[in-house]
Amino acid sequence: ETGVTQTPRHLVMGMTNKKSLKCEQHLGHNAMYWYKQSAKKPLELMFVYSLEERVENNSVPSRFSPECPNSSHLFLHLHTLQPEDSALYLCASSQLRGGGADTQYFGPGTRLTVL
Amino acid sequence: AQSVTQLGSHVSVSEGALVLLRCNYSSSVPPYLFWYVQYPNQGLQLLLKYTTGATLVKGINGFEAEFKKSETSFHLTKPSAHMSDAAEYFCAVTQGAQKLVFGQGTRLTINP
Repeated sequence: ETGVTQTPRHLVMGMTNKKSLKCEQHLGHNAMYWYKQSAKKPLELMFVYSLEERVENNSVPSRFSPECPNSSHLFLHLHTLQPEDSALYLCASSQLRGGGADTQYFGPGTRLTVL
Repeated sequence: AQSVTQLGSHVSVSEGALVLLRCNYSSSVPPYLFWYVQYPNQGLQLLLKYTTGATLVKGINGFEAEFKKSETSFHLTKPSAHMSDAAEYFCAVTQGAQKLVFGQGTRLTINP
């Protein structure tokens, strides 16, 4: 499945580093999402972009900064992270048609470890 | 607000046996319900979804789920488990047009 790609697949960073996660969707969708998947916790929605405008920010700490330059690309900029931010970060995309029945298509994720 | 409860964080069945993964939801509006599967080191893949109409929904890989409004349930079943079904399964409900609310997940193990 290559509809949604994410790079890098693995990332190890120190608490003082700055890094970025990249997501690209090849499905022609108009909405993109960042999720955090931690052990023993449900997937947490972090950010939603619809038509390149941020429409949802679920009280995510400011050390996570999203960027959506166009409908195909989504970035998550990381700085001064904490060890508890270690998780699998998943990107998804969907074609919004209204009503909430749209299927979200997920990338393989970036496994982030913060030392 | 919508929420999802998956009963059983781990389910183990023998190869060829029935698979039953339980999901209950709460929703103040008619729900849209989803089952996703996650294989090791991969993202989530849609198995099936219920929007409107027929309450028995068939998905990929022989899975199906039945929407039961009276029981607020959307349990996932497969008549005969295969080794390749070993994965983590997530039930989700929509909350608003763009927000999926996920359950905790159920890890399915298949015994030979």
